[in-house]
Formats: sequence, C-alpha cells, structure tokens
Amino acid sequence: DAGITQSPRHKVTETGTPVTLRCHQTENHRYMYWYRQDPGHGLRLIHYSYGVKDTDKGEVSDGYSVSRSKTEDFLLTLESATSSQTSVYFCAIRTDSNTGELFFGEGSRLTVL
Amino acid sequence: KQEVTQIPAALSVPEGENLVLNCSFTDSAIYNLQWFRQDPGKGLTSLLLIQSSQREQTSGRLNASLDKSSGRSTLYIAASQPGDSATYLCAVNGGGNKLVFGAGTILRVKS
Repeated sequence: DAGITQSPRHKVTETGTPVTLRCHQTENHRYMYWYRQDPGHGLRLIHYSYGVKDTDKGEVSDGYSVSRSKTEDFLLTLESATSSQTSVYFCAIRTDSNTGELFFGEGSRLTVL
Repeated sequence: KQEVTQIPAALSVPEGENLVLNCSFTDSAIYNLQWFRQDPGKGLTSLLLIQSSQREQTSGRLNASLDKSSGRSTLYIAASQPGDSATYLCAVNGGGNKLVFGAGTILRVKS
C-alpha cells in the first residue's frame, strides 16, 4: 500500500461544468502523475508533477490543468468537462528510490453527460 | 517513439497450469520495466520491476525476465490459481517520465 487516496471515486457531471479530482499521498514522494484509462487506448499520461508547483504536460493534456501546492496533494481540473473526458482517472506516485517504482491509486470514475 | 505490445490479448487456462505472458518493446534504451495486475474496477498493483541492468526478478510464483537486446520481457506464472485472474500490464520506462504501457493481457484461470 503506497498510501495513495483519490477522491471522489465516482462522479457524474454534465457537459460544461468544472470538475476537480484530488490525489493525496502520505509518503511525500516527489513525483506524482495523472493518467486516464480508456478501452482501446490503455493508460495515457495527462500531466505529472516533479515537486511543489512543478508540473508538466503528458501526451493527452488538452482540456486539463493541474496544481500542486503541497507535496501530498496533486489536483486534476477539467475546466469545462466534455463527454470525451468520460474515463477512469488514475493517480500514481513514483518512489524516490533508485528503482523508481510506480504505484497507483484506486481510480476515479468520471461520467460526463 | 516507444511502442509496447502484449501478446496474447487474452488467455484462458485451467487451474494449475504454468503460463507465460509476453511484452515486447521497440526501443531497447530503457531504464526499467514494470509488470502490474489490474482487477476489474480497481487500480494497478505493482508485481515486479526489472531494472535495465537486470535479467530477471522473482516474487513468489511470479518470475519476470528482461532481454533488452531483443526488446522482450516475459512474466511467468507458476501453478496458476483462479485468484490470478486479472489483466496484466507491462510498462516500459525510457527514462524521465517516458513510461509507455502495453494494452494488457486478460488472464482467466478456470477452476
């Protein structure tokens, strides 16, 4: 258990509304990631963070923003949700050891109607 | 661009059988490779991580091997059990944050 908590775990919202997903870690790892998982596309990186206020884009970042004001929290925001953003969102952390092992949260299932 | 392929896409075996899952990648310049399992509706659970300098890693009934020169990794599961039924994914780390996932192999172990 890598101490990763995602909230909310399930959310249904309407097109055009803002949505924020939260990832919380208890072990103060430097690297945190947001992925989305979709049938036929597998896991794709949205954004990642390498420290407080240090973030960068992944391969599918359009329509998403992130913030990291504290080491333990990494927020993913959909400013104006669209149906194409219906997905399961996973947060992950990478350990700071030499192995760089990745651990995932339980996921947040988002449905945009 | 790194591409990761997992074959087969699905596999059904009787309980007790030994099995091999395959993961191939196109760029051999990797930092490490990690195997995960994912149960329906759940997150990914890390199984094994192999560094680029290693040939294999073992954990219980699981053994993962890495052959960088041929761009292949295998996950060997000994004496399979119904509880092993899940989707197995491999992820190749090319350094930095260039982690590329395969599409996964759906394993069903029949009792």
